[in-house]
Amino acid sequence: NAGVTQTPKFQVLKTGQSMTLQCAQDMNHEYMSWYRQDPGMGLRLIHYSVGAGITDQGEVPNGYNVSRSTTEDFPLRLLSAAPSQTSVYFCASRSGTGSDEQFFGPGTRLTVL
Amino acid sequence: QKEVEQDPGPLSVPEGAIVSLNCTYSNSAFQYFMWYRQYSRKGPELLMYTYSSGNKEDGRFTAQVDKSSKYISLFIRDSQPSDSATYLCAMRGSTLGRLYFGRGTQLTVWP
Repeated sequence: NAGVTQTPKFQVLKTGQSMTLQCAQDMNHEYMSWYRQDPGMGLRLIHYSVGAGITDQGEVPNGYNVSRSTTEDFPLRLLSAAPSQTSVYFCASRSGTGSDEQFFGPGTRLTVL
Repeated sequence: QKEVEQDPGPLSVPEGAIVSLNCTYSNSAFQYFMWYRQYSRKGPELLMYTYSSGNKEDGRFTAQVDKSSKYISLFIRDSQPSDSATYLCAMRGSTLGRLYFGRGTQLTVWP
């Protein structure tokens, strides 16, 4: 199993540009999430999904869109990038049953100029 | 008030020391408590998991949950330089509930 994979690893955008951060998992997990991590702020939940076709907002959803057309994929879209979105983005997944572990991807480091 | 409070440190200790990391929380519905370890430029990985109150031990690591005080702890015995990382507490109320994270405590163990 590859676990949770994220692409790209690094990205530099200009203000106003759009892009999609890709996330995929091969563990057949129902529950997937996107977090951003900023110095001193810990992990903040952006959006999450409890299954294909179902998404919901987390703590800091503004400026981001998600969709979940398959169990495996959970892309995060930045519609019009802003410098405040400079951060490290982590995708995570878990099975959603019992005492399950949440697996994190390696992260995407995004800089918006 | 944030759901989960965690002192960000940094914490610096000599090799062999006992390390104590703590979090407090406000939501009495939390039942599942976790500690994640995050090395620099890596994603977090689960270190310890506890359901409800009590202690759990795994090698040099012990996790404690005191639901009456809304307080959780992680103890590291005989700390090693390889334990240098950021430690994040996390918790949730139900099986499908979202995870709430602390800000993380940065730990350095020097030889």
